[in-house]
Amino acid sequence: ETGVTQTPRHLVMGMTNKKSLKCEQHLGHNAMYWYKQSAKKPLELMFVYSLEERVENNSVPSRFSPECPNSSHLFLHLHTLQPEDSALYLCASSPGLAGDEQYFGPGTRLTVT
Amino acid sequence: AQTVTQSQPEMSVQEAETVTLSCTYDTSESDYYLFWYKQPPSRQMILVIRQEAYKQQNATENRFSVNFQKAAKSFSLKISDSQLGDAAMYFCAYNQGAQKLVFGQGTRLTINP
Repeated sequence: ETGVTQTPRHLVMGMTNKKSLKCEQHLGHNAMYWYKQSAKKPLELMFVYSLEERVENNSVPSRFSPECPNSSHLFLHLHTLQPEDSALYLCASSPGLAGDEQYFGPGTRLTVT
Repeated sequence: AQTVTQSQPEMSVQEAETVTLSCTYDTSESDYYLFWYKQPPSRQMILVIRQEAYKQQNATENRFSVNFQKAAKSFSLKISDSQLGDAAMYFCAYNQGAQKLVFGQGTRLTINP
C-alpha cells in the first residue's frame, strides 16, 4: 500500500461505546496529524505528532485520546462521544518541516448515535 | 491567531472556461506558506499548488496558477481550461513555523458541461 490509509472508512457508534480510528502512512514522514471535518466548518486541527511526540493539542475534549506508537502509525481512541462529534476524521502526514505538503488519508466517517 | 477566509461557498464554471477562487488571510508574520488543496467528492484531499511568501513570483502548476498579493493578504487560485475532473471542494490554507495548517471554509466548485 502507498500513501496514507485509514481504517475503518465508516463507523457508527453509540455514546457509551469505545472505538479507535487507525491511520498508517507509508511515506517515511516524521509528522502525523488528526483533523476533524464537519459540514460547513473549516477543517479543525486536533492533534499533531512529530517524531512520535505530541507537539500540538488544540484544546480537544478528553473523550478523544491520540496515540502514536511509531512514526508510521497514529490512532485516535474514542469514548463517551456526543452526537456533535459526528464528522469526517482525516489523518495526514508530512516530512515535518514548515511549509511541507501534507498528505491526507481518505478519512473515517463517524456517526455518533 | 492566523485566520483564512474564503468568501465564496460555491462557484460554477463552464467546461473549458476560466474560474478564480478567492482567499484572504490574516497574519502579522512575514515568512509563511500558502496552499490550495482540492477535495474531490469521496476522494482524498490533495495539494494543488503551494506558494512561499518570500517569493514574489506567482506559483503555477499546469492549468492552475495563483495571484499572490502579499500586502493585501490575498491568495486567489485561477483554474484555466476547466475540466470536469476539477469539480471538488477547494481549500485555501496557511502555514507558518510549525507544522500547523490553518484552513479556510472551502469553496465548492461545479463544472458545467
